[in-house]
Parts: sequence; structure tokens; C-alpha cells
Amino acid sequence: DSGVTQTPKHLITATGQRVTLRCSPRSGDLSVYWYQQSLDQGLQFLIQYYNGEERAKGNILERFSAQQFPDLHSELNLSSLELGDSALYFCASSVSLDRGFTGELFFGEGSRLTVL
Amino acid sequence: AQTVTQSQPEMSVQEAETVTLSCTYDTSESNYYLFWYKQPPSRQMILVIRQEAYKQQNATENRFSVNFQKAAKSFSLKISDSQLGDTAMYFCAFTQLFGNEKLTFGTGTRLTIIP
Repeated sequence: DSGVTQTPKHLITATGQRVTLRCSPRSGDLSVYWYQQSLDQGLQFLIQYYNGEERAKGNILERFSAQQFPDLHSELNLSSLELGDSALYFCASSVSLDRGFTGELFFGEGSRLTVL
Repeated sequence: AQTVTQSQPEMSVQEAETVTLSCTYDTSESNYYLFWYKQPPSRQMILVIRQEAYKQQNATENRFSVNFQKAAKSFSLKISDSQLGDTAMYFCAFTQLFGNEKLTFGTGTRLTIIP
């Protein structure tokens, strides 16, 4: 158990809909990352938050948005869903640089999104 | 921009044998970390091993070891005495030491251990 919690584990929805994925990082971790893994693909970085602020952005679509709340949990919002958005969405957290960052990310179990 | 390349989409090996997974990367940074993550069918991403670029000594973790060639920008993973539980996707990943802390992943190698 990595200590990172993601909900829901599975989600099936229709094209054009909007969904929200939730992530709770490990206790004490200030950084949260979102990754997308399409079928048999590597992990594509979407976005990183650090202590409530956006820190880095990857190839995140404009239809997608994220935020990190004061309690450090994060949500990834996916709107106007398309078939191609079907993927496994991972959240990860890490120790901050001033607390001995080792480069390691701790991953949740992922949220499997299926768009029909 | 950093890139990570895994040129072996699939590999298979008999149980108890040794297998080596290849990874190359491209970066202009001098301080960084390299990782191998394992993704079994349960889909959980599990850290296998980590290497700091400033360390010349290759990292080892029980049956797992790496061959880190900094000049060649190569970072291969060797699994000794392979076990059925080693069957998984293996991803090589890179992060720079300073700046944002995101991991850049390769496309993965699907490893199957044959009984």
C-alpha cells in the first residue's frame, strides 16, 4: 500500500460527459502529480501541484483541469469526454525538496475511465 | 526536454534465468535520478530500483541490479533468478534533481516469465 488513495477505481461514462477523479496523497506529502496511461502505453504527465499551487504542466488538454485543496487532496476534472480519453489515470505524491526528496513518486492504484 | 527510450516492447524468459531490460535517455542535465518501476497486472506502479546520477556505483536491490553508463546515457535493469511474480510491465523513468520533480517515463517493456 503506497498510502495514496484514488477514487473511483472504475468509472464508465458516455461521450460528452464530465467526470471528477479524486486523489488523497500520502500523509505529509505536499506534491501531487497526475498521469494518464492509455492502453499499453507509457505514463504521460498531465500536471503537478505543490501545496495548492500549480507547479508544472504537461500535455494536459484544455478540457481537463485540476486543483489541489487546502487539505492537500487533489481532483482532476475531465469534461466533454471523448472516446480517446478512455485510460487509466494515476495520481502520485512525493516528499518535497526541503524534506528530502529522493525522486521517488508514490502511486495510487489508478482510476480506470471508460468512455462509451 | 528529457526523453526516455525503451526499445524492447516485449521480452520473455524462463523462470530462474537472468534477463536484462534496456533503457536509454537524453538530457542536458548533470544531476538527476533514474528509476525502474514495475506495473504488474494489478496495475499498481511499484518502484523497483533507483539510481542517483552522481553515484558511480550501480544500484542493487536483492535480485535487481542496474548497469548505469552515464556517458552513454544508458540505464539497463538486470533481473537475476527470475520468478513468476516478476511478470509485469517495466518502465524506465527519469527526473531531474532541480526544477520540477515530474517523472518522464519510457514506453515500457512487457516481461513474461515462463514456468
